[in-house]
Amino acid sequence: DSGVTQTPKHLITATGQRVTLRCSPRSGDLSVYWYQQSLDQGLQFLIQYYNGEERAKGNILERFSAQQFPDLHSELNLSSLELGDSALYFCASSPPELRGHNEQFFGPGTRLTVL
Amino acid sequence: ILNVEQSPQSLHVQEGDSTNFTCSFPSSNFYALHWYRWETAKSPEALFVMTLNGDEKKKGRISATLNTKEGYSYLYIKGSQPEDSATYLCAFRPWEDNDMRFGAGTRLTVKP
Repeated sequence: DSGVTQTPKHLITATGQRVTLRCSPRSGDLSVYWYQQSLDQGLQFLIQYYNGEERAKGNILERFSAQQFPDLHSELNLSSLELGDSALYFCASSPPELRGHNEQFFGPGTRLTVL
Repeated sequence: ILNVEQSPQSLHVQEGDSTNFTCSFPSSNFYALHWYRWETAKSPEALFVMTLNGDEKKKGRISATLNTKEGYSYLYIKGSQPEDSATYLCAFRPWEDNDMRFGAGTRLTVKP
């Protein structure tokens, strides 16, 4: 158990819908990262937040957005869902010291299925 | 486009064999190189974060080296055990606040 929690564990929804994935980082960690892992692709970095501020952006679609709240939990919002958005979404957190040189601790993931 | 490449894609070894994999990344900008171990149905687990050219890190039977000038890192497993069976991912970070670029991984299977 890494100490990072993600909810829900599984989510099944229909095309065109909107969902919110939630992540709580390890106690004391300020950075939160979101990743997507599709069947036909490797692990893709989506976005990073550090203490409430967006810090780095990767291959995140405009239909997707994220935020990190004052209590440091983060939410990833996926809208106008398409079949191709079906994937495993991971959240990871890392401690504040040494910034990007820290290892990341991954949550268990949320499996999203779009029908 | 993945500009982080890992080889081989998969590897089957016998218990007790030593093995190694390669992670290649662009050498123009370098901030950090991460190695992760990812078992099926679990989450990726950090093995090493490497930041300096010439870095060598070790955790039990697993070790890694880093050459930032030529853009590669090697991961070594000594005396492989069945529980080492997993996918080993490397991730390259070119700048401090920049994306993490993952390779496709090397899938290791250790046969008893």
